[in-house]
Amino acid sequence: QVQLQESGPGLVKPSGTLSLTCAVSGGSISTNNWWIWVRQPPGKGLEWIGEIYHSGSTYYNPSLKSRVTMSVDNSKNQFSLKLSSVTAADTAVYYCAREGVRAAFDIWGQGTMVTVSS
Amino acid sequence: DIVMTQSPDSLAVSLGERATINCKSSQTVLDSSNNKNYLAWYQQKPGQPPKLLIYWASTRESGVPDRFSGSGSGTDFTLTISSLQAEDVAVYYCQQYSGTPPIFTFGPGTKVDIK
Repeated sequence: QVQLQESGPGLVKPSGTLSLTCAVSGGSISTNNWWIWVRQPPGKGLEWIGEIYHSGSTYYNPSLKSRVTMSVDNSKNQFSLKLSSVTAADTAVYYCAREGVRAAFDIWGQGTMVTVSS
Repeated sequence: DIVMTQSPDSLAVSLGERATINCKSSQTVLDSSNNKNYLAWYQQKPGQPPKLLIYWASTRESGVPDRFSGSGSGTDFTLTISSLQAEDVAVYYCQQYSGTPPIFTFGPGTKVDIK
C-alpha cells in the first residue's frame, strides 16, 4: 500500500526558506492523483498549502501563493515543498498527503514538525 | 473566501450514545455538473495525522466502521457517530473543495470526548 514520509530540517531561521520532501513508497507518484501539502500549527486546525500533479501542475492556497513553490521528482518518486520568508507563524506540523478520489485526502504522512526560530 | 464553521466546538457523549457534528460552508460545495457534494470528514487523534472517514458528503471510506455516517447537501452537513466508542475520542474536521482554481478549506474542528 502507498505510504508517505516527510523529511527536512526541523528548525528554520526567520526570513529563511522552509524545504520539505515527501517520499512516496509502495506505489508510483505518476498516477492519476494529486499530491498535497497541509500544515497544522501547534494546538490549531488544518490548513491546505497546495497540491501538485506528477506532470508538475500546481495549485496553491491564495494566502500562501507568493511564498510557496512545489515540485515533483518522478525519478525519485517524491515531491517537495518550499516556503520562503518564513516567520514564527509558519511554525507547524507539515503533512504530505494524497488526494485519492477528487476532493478527499486518503493517505497521509506522519507529519514533521518545523519550528521557525533564531 | 470560503469559510467553514463547525458546531459544537466540543461535545461529550456517553459510551454507546449518538454524537452529532455539524458543518456549514459559506458557499455551496455541490458540483451541479455531477451532483457531487465535495465535503469530506476527518478524524484526528493526538499525535496522529488526520484519517479520512467520509468523502463526497456521505460515502464512507473503506475500512471505516459503519457507525460513522455523513449527510447533507449544498452548504449544511452532518457527521453522525451512531454509538460512540472509546476509540472515537478525537477531533473531527470537515473539509470542502471548490474548483477552478481548486481550493480546499478545513473547518475549525470539533472535539469529541466521553461523558
